Amino acid sequence: DQQVKQNSPSLSVQEGRISILNCDYTNSMFDYFLWYKKYPAEGPTFLISISSIKDKNEDGRFTVFLNKSAKHLSLHIVPSQPGDSAVYFCAASDGTDKLIFGTGTRLQVFP
Amino acid sequence: DAGVIQSPRHEVTEMGQEVTLRCKPISGHDYLFWYRQTMMRGLELLIYFNNNVPIDDSGMPEDRFSAKMPNASFSTLKIQPSEPRDSAVYFCASSTLTDTQYFGPGTRLTVL
Repeated sequence: DQQVKQNSPSLSVQEGRISILNCDYTNSMFDYFLWYKKYPAEGPTFLISISSIKDKNEDGRFTVFLNKSAKHLSLHIVPSQPGDSAVYFCAASDGTDKLIFGTGTRLQVFP
Repeated sequence: DAGVIQSPRHEVTEMGQEVTLRCKPISGHDYLFWYRQTMMRGLELLIYFNNNVPIDDSGMPEDRFSAKMPNASFSTLKIQPSEPRDSAVYFCASSTLTDTQYFGPGTRLTVL
């Protein structure tokens, strides 16, 4: 049973526009959420995170929004750049040492 | 820092053979995680260690899979016997209690 779901396997966005990647979760005990970015032939790298006590966290072009009542979070990238083309994984933690990852969304940013 | 090191980067083997994947975590990290990436299930946690002790192996698919961490700088994931459905990319990651996980480059395993 997937506790963290990324229902869009892929997303294509024009350079300069906003990219919105979505993630849903089912476990109400999750209290910390992360986004990881993965390029081909490399391991995932940490991008941005948010605690459940917040509803927004911003880092440069990247903003994560958390809607606890809907059990939904999203990653906004503005403006999108070709170098942002990668697979993005959403992950969640329930306060234990481990992370539960989603299936990933492949983002392609075209010129 | 060299980051998390995994070997081999690619492994092709035949069904029934034993496969051993290796990982060297970042020095000073006391958590080590083994993940498997597939299209259908994304990144699945197989097992993780804290201070070389296995804490949670509930993600290990079956008895054919085993993992060890004999010391703070080395871990192995073994599959014996391997099957075609084990084909995937296997990642190792390490962290401290208060830091995020750092992933290695992965081992792409193909079982024919």
